[in-house]
Amino acid sequence: EPEVTQTPSHQVTQMGQEVILRCVPISNHLYFYWYRQILGQKVEFLVSFYNNEISEKSEIFDDQFSVERPDGSNFTLKIRSTKLEDSAMYFCASSGAVVTSGGRTDTQYFGPGTRLTVL
Amino acid sequence: AQTVTQSQPEMSVQEAETVTLSCTYDTSESNYYLFWYKQPPSRQMILVIRQEAYKQQNATENRFSVNFQKAAKSFSLKISDSQLGDTAMYFCAFIFYNAGNNRKLIWGLGTSLAVNP
Repeated sequence: EPEVTQTPSHQVTQMGQEVILRCVPISNHLYFYWYRQILGQKVEFLVSFYNNEISEKSEIFDDQFSVERPDGSNFTLKIRSTKLEDSAMYFCASSGAVVTSGGRTDTQYFGPGTRLTVL
Repeated sequence: AQTVTQSQPEMSVQEAETVTLSCTYDTSESNYYLFWYKQPPSRQMILVIRQEAYKQQNATENRFSVNFQKAAKSFSLKISDSQLGDTAMYFCAFIFYNAGNNRKLIWGLGTSLAVNP
């Protein structure tokens, strides 16, 4: 069964350093997302991406964050200068856009996550 | 505002018994989908079940079923014959559709379920 993959599973970095989190979405999906979850807290939406551009972003997704789909398979999240408060689990998700007789169905499938630790 | 409320931060159940997790949501949109996701200790986010708001029939997936009450904006998850592997955090979430391509999931805070032997 197709699945979303993410690398690395755990990234440790120093404050102020740049990190790139990588994701390979399910191959025929059209929509891509990044969410994050600070330990023990709510899942937070960061950004959605469709047709090679950002379709929505949250207040968290400031100028320090960027996303890219550099080729036909990878979807990356870059944090330019990490802060302590960026320490979290980062989830990539993807979804298709299948139109059924009753409307759309759009289930997001998640990768296993990347645990980012900023020291 | 679009919100999801899970009023039970923690629950426990004995193995083989049935448990129901509560979820209420608030939206003014008419076209939306509801989901339950499970997050075991590994922290992976796993889809458990989904419900299309336009469908009156409650969704079922093996031991998992929902009680969807659209007028009350309630979407509870019932787990039958609970197994030790069901121990996890359970998140209720929904997506609504409007004219744009905005499809972010709106999440509840989660319910931590412990299945006891």
